[in-house]
Amino acid sequence: DTAVSQTPKYLVTQMGNDKSIKCEQNLGHDTMYWYKQDSKKFLKIMFSYNNKELIINETVPNRFSPKSPDKAHLNLHINSLELGDSAVYFCASSFGTEKLFFGSGTQLSVL
Amino acid sequence: QKEVEQDPGPLSVPEGAIVSLNCTYSNSAFQYFMWYRQYSRKGPELLMYTYSSGNKEDGRFTAQVDKSSKYISLFIRDSQPSDSATYLCAMSAGGGYQKVTFGTGTKLQVIP
Repeated sequence: DTAVSQTPKYLVTQMGNDKSIKCEQNLGHDTMYWYKQDSKKFLKIMFSYNNKELIINETVPNRFSPKSPDKAHLNLHINSLELGDSAVYFCASSFGTEKLFFGSGTQLSVL
Repeated sequence: QKEVEQDPGPLSVPEGAIVSLNCTYSNSAFQYFMWYRQYSRKGPELLMYTYSSGNKEDGRFTAQVDKSSKYISLFIRDSQPSDSATYLCAMSAGGGYQKVTFGTGTKLQVIP
């Protein structure tokens, strides 16, 4: 069983479209995250939710909106996609510590 | 200046070599130090986790933290081709809702 699973694995779309990425964890963790990894492998936190409550919101454009229906799920919706949004998006989870468990990533390509 | 600096490499070593990977940081509030390994097209996986200064050993891997110099290292003994990956250092100040700051990663290739 995959601990942190995210879908889709690949997402190719046109500029201006709206898309969503879904994430689920079966580890019983209480905190979930979205990270963005650019082409130079730099991994930067975007959002963090603890028990469905938003606790970290880095300077991310309003076009990005996370939603946590329950503590096992954290989705990311992106409006009006731009070329610069192309990256790999990782979902992660943890249980009260810095020990993050990552999903396998969603490769987003905006054309 | 970035909070965490890491040489991106690539670093190529022969099988069996001792590998040294390093990071420097500027935020003196960091107390938790981690190393993640990321294989191509995969998510990072936690390799080593240490708190404050000192050494920690796990099999062929040793993590060192020197808070006075704001410098952390990961040593890999008897490197194997399966160690070929990108190694990311990561740090956090802790104290509640953890925000982990990552280095840019060092790409390592171990040649058989």
